[in-house]
Amino acid sequence: QKEVEQNSGPLSVPEGAIASLNCTYSDRGSQSFFWYRQYSGKSPELIMFIYSNGDKEDGRFTAQLNKASQYVSLLIRDSQPSDSATYLCAVSGNQFYFGTGTSLTVIP
Amino acid sequence: EPEVTQTPSHQVTQMGQEVILRCVPISNHLYFYWYRQILGQKVEFLVSFYNNEISEKSEIFDDQFSVERPDGSNFTLKIRSTKLEDSAMYFCASGRTASNQPQHFGDGTRLSIL
Repeated sequence: QKEVEQNSGPLSVPEGAIASLNCTYSDRGSQSFFWYRQYSGKSPELIMFIYSNGDKEDGRFTAQLNKASQYVSLLIRDSQPSDSATYLCAVSGNQFYFGTGTSLTVIP
Repeated sequence: EPEVTQTPSHQVTQMGQEVILRCVPISNHLYFYWYRQILGQKVEFLVSFYNNEISEKSEIFDDQFSVERPDGSNFTLKIRSTKLEDSAMYFCASGRTASNQPQHFGDGTRLSIL
């Protein structure tokens, strides 16, 4: 069984702080790594994707991948109350495997 | 911006009845997917579809499930004889290229089995 593990949280950060979300995966053959944001009762919304080891930045978001450690993370800089949501890590080989998500609350 | 559309937004069905969930993927996308999310649980892969055939399916996607692309735009998920445990949000997603590339999700259909 291929697993994607995330801390369920809740993670609370003050507005303007950096939020750090982490994810580990079990399948060394995984090729692609994704972060989705899901507001309560809504569908997953793609935030970032990363394929290679290292960092990838897009605006306030940075994805980090370490394939040797089977670890992927998402940093959100200058966190805003609107960032409050559940963040889903997804890992892909032939299928997408989602983690259970980390609930983030940004406190004004 | 193009988006994946799903209908209906909410479907209520008696146990044992057949249900068809409909999706219109993004027009230039070639890969189509169904996922389900039981309330409070993680998003689970059901099936992927490419070139008019199933390319991958999970253990959840048993004989009561089927998918079809009946025309050039729609992508459907049929559940033949619904059970109480089929109650969930069902998401359709599409991607432009292979299954390890970004997928874009529709708003989902909430299926309630009575």
